[in-house]
Amino acid sequence: EAQVTQNPRYLITVTGKKLTVTCSQNMNHEYMSWYRQDPGLGLRQIYYSMNVEVTDKGDVPEGYKVSRKEKRNFPLILESPSPNQTSLYFCASSRRGGEKLFFGSGTQLSVL
Amino acid sequence: GQQLNQSPQSMFIQEGEDVSMNCTSSSIFNTWLWYKQDPGEGPVLLIALYKAGELTSNGRLTAQFGITRKDSFLNISASIPSDVGIYFCAGQGGSNYKLTFGKGTLLTVNP
Repeated sequence: EAQVTQNPRYLITVTGKKLTVTCSQNMNHEYMSWYRQDPGLGLRQIYYSMNVEVTDKGDVPEGYKVSRKEKRNFPLILESPSPNQTSLYFCASSRRGGEKLFFGSGTQLSVL
Repeated sequence: GQQLNQSPQSMFIQEGEDVSMNCTSSSIFNTWLWYKQDPGEGPVLLIALYKAGELTSNGRLTAQFGITRKDSFLNISASIPSDVGIYFCAGQGGSNYKLTFGKGTLLTVNP
């Protein structure tokens, strides 16, 4: 089954404790992206990747890192999480840049 | 950067009613997409539009790509309880392939 898989689904952590949210897609898509969803603000892009080893900042990249060493994986790294990064995070992929995005089921992150 | 204004922010309707929502942009887009997000899930693509003036249907859903390329509309006919969710428009334009999302329309359907 074609899908985008994120883990974990829920995560509670404390300020400053590094964490990684994993994302994997099995559709051989070139393009992958991370979004955060906050009430009243919709979906905002954090980082995106047009292909392996190519990443770029989205609208709200501060406090986040990503890597794209393999085509299928695009982890999101929070080196020192802060409470304002409490949010619902979505990974998404598409065949090529920016069209027909397929989303994962989301990761609800709470930073205390 | 590009911004999308999606309206209304929320709608409360009775089962069987028709629904309309729209998105407008200050910039021209080459592609318009409409997504639905069920509670606790990620957004799922409903309809994709690629040409100005294009009108596309998917069951009870109909979407149109505005002729100015700065707006798009989504209509849902004869709503049912499972239509509940958040509907997002998204536009893509320019050379960076970025999708810009609207803030969503929260739809509640009363049985």
